Amino acid sequence: AQSVTQPDIHITVSEGASLELRCNYSYGATPYLFWYVQSPGQGLQLLLKYFSGDTLVQGIKGFEAEFKRSQSSFNLRKPSVHWSDAAEYFCAGGGAQKLVFGQGTRLTINP
Amino acid sequence: DTAVSQTPKYLVTQMGNDKSIKCEQNLGHDTMYWYKQDSKKFLKIMFSYNNKELIINETVPNRFSPKSPDKAHLNLHINSLELGDSAVYFCASSQVGSGEQYFGPGTRLTVT
Repeated sequence: AQSVTQPDIHITVSEGASLELRCNYSYGATPYLFWYVQSPGQGLQLLLKYFSGDTLVQGIKGFEAEFKRSQSSFNLRKPSVHWSDAAEYFCAGGGAQKLVFGQGTRLTINP
Repeated sequence: DTAVSQTPKYLVTQMGNDKSIKCEQNLGHDTMYWYKQDSKKFLKIMFSYNNKELIINETVPNRFSPKSPDKAHLNLHINSLELGDSAVYFCASSQVGSGEQYFGPGTRLTVT
């Protein structure tokens, strides 16, 4: 069965520091992969997506993610975080009709 | 211009009651979804409709009945509410084949 795992439940970084959030997937073929962000009390906003082609994808708000087939990973990165990046981040993967979400990683930013 | 909207945003009700949550999307998408997010933030798909036709039903209790009057609307009716139904319910939509889903703001349901 397909699954998406985010190994880190909670990460704290200092403002201005770099960020990497981990995501691993288990799927029969190369899945569609997504990162979403959820601010407190809000819905989920799509940050970026990978379908095929270039394995490094750029998203909104300065985020990027790299698909690594050999590691079954799709980690999210940002070179310098801002206080407004504090939120819950979800990795998701699947086919065209159904997505499976990871457990989420809560990001806290220290001033 | 709201893409995916849900009403109400908050819903507080007692056990045993029946309630509905409405969802509308103005993106022209043909696929809509209902998700449940529990207190630990875990997000799980409940239903998916494509052009008003049910295509995914993830072993959700029969007390939950989705209804899609047209492809822009997907409502969720819940009978005989239980404490365990307390959660945030999200509606989402996508264009068939794209996989890219757009989410509504959520409805926080509290059953007392």
